[in-house]
Amino acid sequence: AQSVAQPEDQVNVAEGNPLTVKCTYSVSGNPYLFWYVQYPNRGLQFLLKYITGDNLVKGSYGFEAEFNKSQTSFHLKKPSALVSDSALYFCAVRALFYGGATNKLIFGTGTLLAVQP
Amino acid sequence: DAGVIQSPRHEVTEMGQEVTLRCKLISGHNSLFWYRQTMMRGLELLIYFNNNVPIDDSGMPEDRFSAKMPNASFSTLKIQPSEPRDSAVYFCASSAGTGGNQPQHFGDGTRLSIL
Repeated sequence: AQSVAQPEDQVNVAEGNPLTVKCTYSVSGNPYLFWYVQYPNRGLQFLLKYITGDNLVKGSYGFEAEFNKSQTSFHLKKPSALVSDSALYFCAVRALFYGGATNKLIFGTGTLLAVQP
Repeated sequence: DAGVIQSPRHEVTEMGQEVTLRCKLISGHNSLFWYRQTMMRGLELLIYFNNNVPIDDSGMPEDRFSAKMPNASFSTLKIQPSEPRDSAVYFCASSAGTGGNQPQHFGDGTRLSIL
C-alpha cells in the first residue's frame, strides 16, 4: 500500500538549534517527494521537492531535505531553527495508480514544530 | 502573480442549507484539487481534475457533495443538503501539468461551520 508516515506528532527545539522533522514513505518505483508547511489559518505552502538527481534538496526559508532510498526516508532539516519556523509540516509522496503515474499526492498526518525562544 | 483564490473565507449556515465554495486557479495551471481538513481526520483529498476532467472522486463523502469545473480557471464544490459533520476547512489547490512533478499551490481555505 502507498503511504507516508510522520512518526512524530510534535517536535520541540530551541531557537538556534538544528531541527529535523522525520518522514518515511512506502511506494513502488522512484518516488516524487514533497514537503509543505502550514501556518495558522493559511493553506499549505510548498517548501521543496525531490524528483531525481542529488539526494540533498534545498528549499525555501533555509530548509533542506535528504532523500535516502535504502531507508525510504525524506527527512526535513534546518541548521538553525527560528521561532518563526513554528508551524505544521506535511510530507507527501506522489501516488501511483496500477503502477502508473498520477498527480495525486498522499500526505502524512503532519508534524507540529514548536521552536522555543 | 495572484495565487489560488477561494471564496468565501468563512461560511456559517444552518443544517440543510446548500453551500457553494468557489475556487479560482492560478493562470496556466491545469490541475485542480479539493481537500478537506479537520482535527479528527486530518487532510483528505475529495476530488481532483486534470484539464477540467474529474480524474478521482473517491474521496467525495457521499452524493451530497458535488464538484464542477465550468471553465479552465474556476471550480465549485457544492454541498446539498449540508450537515454539521461537514464542518471543516476546505482547501483547493492547483498545479501545472499532470505528471505529478510540479507542486500544488493551495488557497487559504474556506472555514465552513454547519449549525
